[in-house]
Amino acid sequence: GAGVSQSPSNKVTEKGKDVELRCDPISGHTALYWYRQSLGQGLEFLIYFQGNSAPDKSGLPSDRFSAERTGGSVSTLTIQRTQQEDSAVYLCASTLAGVYQLRNEQFFGPGTRLTVL
Amino acid sequence: QQQVKQSPQSLIVQKGGISIINCAYENTAFDYFPWYQQFPGKGPALLIAIRPDVSEKKEGRFTISFNKSAKQFSLHIMDSQPGDSATYFCAATPGVGYNKLIFGAGTRLAVHP
Repeated sequence: GAGVSQSPSNKVTEKGKDVELRCDPISGHTALYWYRQSLGQGLEFLIYFQGNSAPDKSGLPSDRFSAERTGGSVSTLTIQRTQQEDSAVYLCASTLAGVYQLRNEQFFGPGTRLTVL
Repeated sequence: QQQVKQSPQSLIVQKGGISIINCAYENTAFDYFPWYQQFPGKGPALLIAIRPDVSEKKEGRFTISFNKSAKQFSLHIMDSQPGDSATYFCAATPGVGYNKLIFGAGTRLAVHP
């Protein structure tokens, strides 16, 4: 497929457990973003990758949240010791644009719906 | 701190009518204003976008009106169709060359036949 893919599509976990969410961006896209969409809310920026580095982590809500990107492609968002307030849809987006390039459209994946019981 | 305010939260329009969604922003450094459309179970998809050097942009039935002095912009959907029923998000990006999106809270549009 040519689009952004995310896995799993749904994840139910118990409070206190760790979860990993995966994003496969469009091939060749250098920039990758993670957003969180809570019920009835807009999308909230979490972190931005340019290549494998993350120049902007300002949206991560706590130190329980971390993300990495390897090979300039796949990214993993990890939430440790999950809490009920972490329940949301986590969306990944990719784009060709980098910091010093012209702005381009962000292409979003379908998201991972995380439910913390 | 919410930097992009969107209204209304929900909107019901009859088929063929005009849907209007409004957004206001605070940060004068914002320089790119896209609208995204999201269907249930899908990620948002870019619908139309505008830069602050123009006051209006039209693509088919979709038009963005932009008022830089008022720091407001709006989406107009002409001849609304049931297939337009979705959630619409306005957004803005802070600064040149870096397109982290700051989203409004979204408007759920229902177009009744």
